[in-house]
Amino acid sequence: QVQLVQSGAEVKKPGASVEVSCKASGFTFTDYYMHWVRQAPGQGLEWMGWINPNSGDTKYAPKFQGRVTMTRDTSISTAYMELSRLRSDDTAVFYCARAPYSSNWYAVYWGQGTLVTVSS
Amino acid sequence: QSALTQPPSASGSPGQSVTISCTGTSSDVGGYKFVSWYQQHPGEAPKLMIYEVSKRPSGVPDRFSGSKSGNTASLTVSGLQAEDEADYYCSSYAGRNNLVFGGGTKLTVL
Repeated sequence: QVQLVQSGAEVKKPGASVEVSCKASGFTFTDYYMHWVRQAPGQGLEWMGWINPNSGDTKYAPKFQGRVTMTRDTSISTAYMELSRLRSDDTAVFYCARAPYSSNWYAVYWGQGTLVTVSS
Repeated sequence: QSALTQPPSASGSPGQSVTISCTGTSSDVGGYKFVSWYQQHPGEAPKLMIYEVSKRPSGVPDRFSGSKSGNTASLTVSGLQAEDEADYYCSSYAGRNNLVFGGGTKLTVL
């Protein structure tokens, strides 16, 4: 069955960077786009961008452009999202979410989420 | 690229129907068929309920339906059940390979 297993919770200081991983199983990793979505405490979902695991092509939401980097390691079916220059308002749960084969514009499967806390 | 507009809250009694709106622009909701809806219970990851405006993934009850008119998409939940109480988010393709979410609607089953 399809599974997306994310890395564990992180605590970071302002100005630092964080990398969240998303290990995929149960499907061919390179066949499906992967989205990253952020959710601040008590707030809504916010799209951060996507990566095409086959080509490595990425698209970032304008808000995160310049601070986010999405990569992948096809040898271990894992996608990564790095957010730099962290601020306190970056405290959030970060999700990876897999698109279906037929379209890149919605997410069928979601990881369990990774809480990133930014605090001095 | 602004967030889509959803009402912060909606409510209905068991067995009733409730409709949640999602308003965008001609550059997102109105311009493409790629509107989707997600249900999120507290502490859980979102779950896809509707994709491409009105299609239901397998396993989603047919009590959930989606539609679109102009720049506004809608999610209707018929025959409300207690387990439908959750947050609901719309999203839409917004051109230039971008996606955008709505602010979310908290659905309360009275």
